[in-house]
Amino acid sequence: EIVLTQSPATLSLSPGEGATLSCRASQSFSGYLAWYQQKPGQAPRLLIYDTSIRATGVPARFSGSGSGTDFTLTISSLEPEDFAVYYCQQRGTLYTFGQGTKLEIK
Amino acid sequence: QVLLVQSGAEVKKPGASVKVSCKASGYTFTTYSMHWVRQAPGQGLEWMGIINPSSDKTTYAEKFQGRVTMTTDTSTSTVYMELSSLRSDDTAVYYCGRDRSGYWGQGTLVTVSS
Repeated sequence: EIVLTQSPATLSLSPGEGATLSCRASQSFSGYLAWYQQKPGQAPRLLIYDTSIRATGVPARFSGSGSGTDFTLTISSLEPEDFAVYYCQQRGTLYTFGQGTKLEIK
Repeated sequence: QVLLVQSGAEVKKPGASVKVSCKASGYTFTTYSMHWVRQAPGQGLEWMGIINPSSDKTTYAEKFQGRVTMTTDTSTSTVYMELSSLRSDDTAVYYCGRDRSGYWGQGTLVTVSS
């Protein structure tokens, strides 16, 4: 099973700042790496799929990159609505989620 | 528009089984596989498995092998997830989600308590 480790666990930033969230896999895989955003009481929202493709309706300030075992979600300039929990998910071997990064307002 | 509507909240006793439904509309049901994911209170997302409605082929996470069964009813465009031998740590919100898309059900809270 591929284990995804996200870092940091919590990221404290201010609106307008940029954010970089990391997702590291326990082994290299090719294929689908996705990023989700989740707010309290809501289902996850798909942001990025296939490592770098933005889902429909996702603002351009969200971008994904990476390959092999290291993947990154970048938010160029934080808006108030971006403060949430973010999960990465792989489908190289079955499907697993990372444990999440909480992006909180500083 | 694509909609996934799940069944309502359930309260079960330890050792019992629960069956959660997810009714799809707004697209051709057999075109996309369906995932089940759960989230315990205050915890992260946990992938449980996936079913292909066109073939009924299932793949389950190792953790749930032997305890989970996913089925479909193409006549009603509904996917079911049944979890047996429930324990208190199965208390969670269970979500269905269409593969390769951002469509999710609203979630079903399953509470396991004696």
